[in-house]
Amino acid sequence: DAKTTQPPSMDCAEGRAANLPCNHSTISGNEYVYWYRQIHSQGPQYIIHGLKNNETNEMASLIITEDRKSSTLILPHATLRDTAVYYCIVRGTGANNLFFGTGTRLTVIP
Amino acid sequence: GAVVSQHPSRVICKSGTSVKIECRSLDFQATTMFWYRQFPKQSLMLMATSNEGSKATYEQGVEKDKFLINHASLTLSTLTVTSAHPEDSSFYICSARGRQGASQPQHFGDGTRLSIL
Repeated sequence: DAKTTQPPSMDCAEGRAANLPCNHSTISGNEYVYWYRQIHSQGPQYIIHGLKNNETNEMASLIITEDRKSSTLILPHATLRDTAVYYCIVRGTGANNLFFGTGTRLTVIP
Repeated sequence: GAVVSQHPSRVICKSGTSVKIECRSLDFQATTMFWYRQFPKQSLMLMATSNEGSKATYEQGVEKDKFLINHASLTLSTLTVTSAHPEDSSFYICSARGRQGASQPQHFGDGTRLSIL
């Protein structure tokens, strides 16, 4: 699976949009981009995933660049409960496991 | 959405005790289940992968005789930590995936915090 690079930490003001970047420059054509988050002392929570097109659901939006070498997770109106570690993971159809890197620790500030 | 239930959420026991953790997929058939371990301030590390009806595949450095995994049905997998010692204290998390493969997400339980005294 392609490696991903994320900033170790970010802050966001409550009510503002949180934009979390991820670089995956070695991604191959059949690999999906997945985003999960882990709130302290809980299991990872699935947020969103995509292959080529931008995706949106009730939690977030995923913007994937045209060359697919990077993506951005957008939480449109961050709340204090969005404080968590966010993991960007790339996984191909042949891969069995999700590899968790170090992620981005997002802190939403009141 | 898909739900994975993990039980118990917390265990505190004496050294030498064996501990069983259950992982259930509540609304889908989990053809593959994964067991992870997470130490404080670290990321999740995969311990083993199990497919229903097959023996688990363990990651390098994980003792298969110490961490017994059973995936007897499409909705249940168990992890037994045998003769647990203080160094086995950790946060254990299970995950499950259906037949659709990489195009569909893997779902996680809420974890089991194991403390060995």
